[in-house]
Amino acid sequence: AQSVTQLGSHVSVSEGALVLLRCNYSSSVPPYLFWYVQYPNQGLQLLLKYTTGATLVKGINGFEAEFKKSETSFHLTKPSAHMSDAAEYFCAVSEDNQGGKLIFGQGTELSVKP
Amino acid sequence: DAGVIQSPRHEVTEMGQEVTLRCKPISGHNSLFWYRQTMMRGLELLIYFNNNVPIDDSGMPEDRFSAKMPNASFSTLKIQPSEPRDSAVYFCASSPRVGGAVSTDTQYFGPGTRLTVL
Repeated sequence: AQSVTQLGSHVSVSEGALVLLRCNYSSSVPPYLFWYVQYPNQGLQLLLKYTTGATLVKGINGFEAEFKKSETSFHLTKPSAHMSDAAEYFCAVSEDNQGGKLIFGQGTELSVKP
Repeated sequence: DAGVIQSPRHEVTEMGQEVTLRCKPISGHNSLFWYRQTMMRGLELLIYFNNNVPIDDSGMPEDRFSAKMPNASFSTLKIQPSEPRDSAVYFCASSPRVGGAVSTDTQYFGPGTRLTVL
């Protein structure tokens, strides 16, 4: 069965600092991996996704993530945090033949200090 | 495009009452998903439809919950009777079918309905 673990329910960084949000997955077949962001009182929106091909995936707002099969990880990074990055971030996994069903992690709340 | 539309945005009701949440997916999208978000359980998939047909309802908590998709542009999630533990934010999401590989599709989320059951 698929599962996603996000390490750290809360992460706090200073503006301009590196952002690193951790995600590990469990899947019996090659996974498809997603990062979504949720701003307060809004729905989720896609940041980036890995399906096949290049393992380093670039997304919106300067975020990127690297799929590492050997580590079953898909960590999200951004070189320099901005105040507007404060939000909740969700890692998710899906597999073929699941009709598009996503399994989400518990989420990581990112705070950015001035 | 207007995006996924959900109504109402906020609903406050009393225990035992029937609650109906509504969703209009993005035009042309073939898959629709209902999620529930709570502090305790995070984001849970309740049910999803492909081409208006329910595919997996294993996440529906109990028989008090039901969902329908009578056509490609409308879906409802009904709770009857409602209980305080149903209080949560309910999201609807839709996704297109790109080349048949729906598992790689991006899901587009609505703004959610915040349900409070007193």
